[in-house]
Amino acid sequence: DAGVTQSPTHLIKTRGQQVTLRCSPISGHKSVSWYQQVLGQGPQFIFQYYEKEERGRGNFPDRFSARQFPNYSSELNVNALLLGDSALYLCASSSGTGVGQPQHFGDGTRLSIL
Amino acid sequence: SQQGEEDPQALSIQEGENATMNCSYKTSINNLQWYRQNSGRGLVHLILIRSNEREKHSGRLRVTLDTSKKSSSLLITASRAADTASYFCATDATGYSTLTFGKGTMLLVSP
Repeated sequence: DAGVTQSPTHLIKTRGQQVTLRCSPISGHKSVSWYQQVLGQGPQFIFQYYEKEERGRGNFPDRFSARQFPNYSSELNVNALLLGDSALYLCASSSGTGVGQPQHFGDGTRLSIL
Repeated sequence: SQQGEEDPQALSIQEGENATMNCSYKTSINNLQWYRQNSGRGLVHLILIRSNEREKHSGRLRVTLDTSKKSSSLLITASRAADTASYFCATDATGYSTLTFGKGTMLLVSP
């Protein structure tokens, strides 16, 4: 079975631009989460969606938004990009049923802001 | 913000030796999970331990959890070069796997 897939793998943008990152979860997984990983740090939680509803939001500004589609794929949008948004953006999926489901991560989108 | 800290930040050992990594956290949790990340790749789930469990084993991995001290440890026995990676603990306060990660331990296993 295919794992979590993310696109694009790499992206270069300039300050002030907008970006959309995409994620396809493992087949049958209804929960998708987004994380930001700055170089040398652990991932930081941005959003979680389950059955197209936002279940959780981390401590990120309103420039960050996300949505989940009927097929459970997801998009993360970031507006008015800042240099500090340069990071690896990771998507993770889980079955979403039951407590404490492990997360299955994609390989991420490397976003560089010039 | 990071939930806690892994210790040590970096660990270098020889193949066949055991590797122990520690994790401390700050708030009450539903469960704690350990993940591995190879350079430039996504994270791979290793093991999950619930707040009412004290120890768990999976293959060469042994995880302990002390909720009174808000700490956990990950032991990898008989390390291999392929175990070279960064290891992160992640706490789950809600049970819905909205994870809070530490900064990680970089493990280098030399042949």
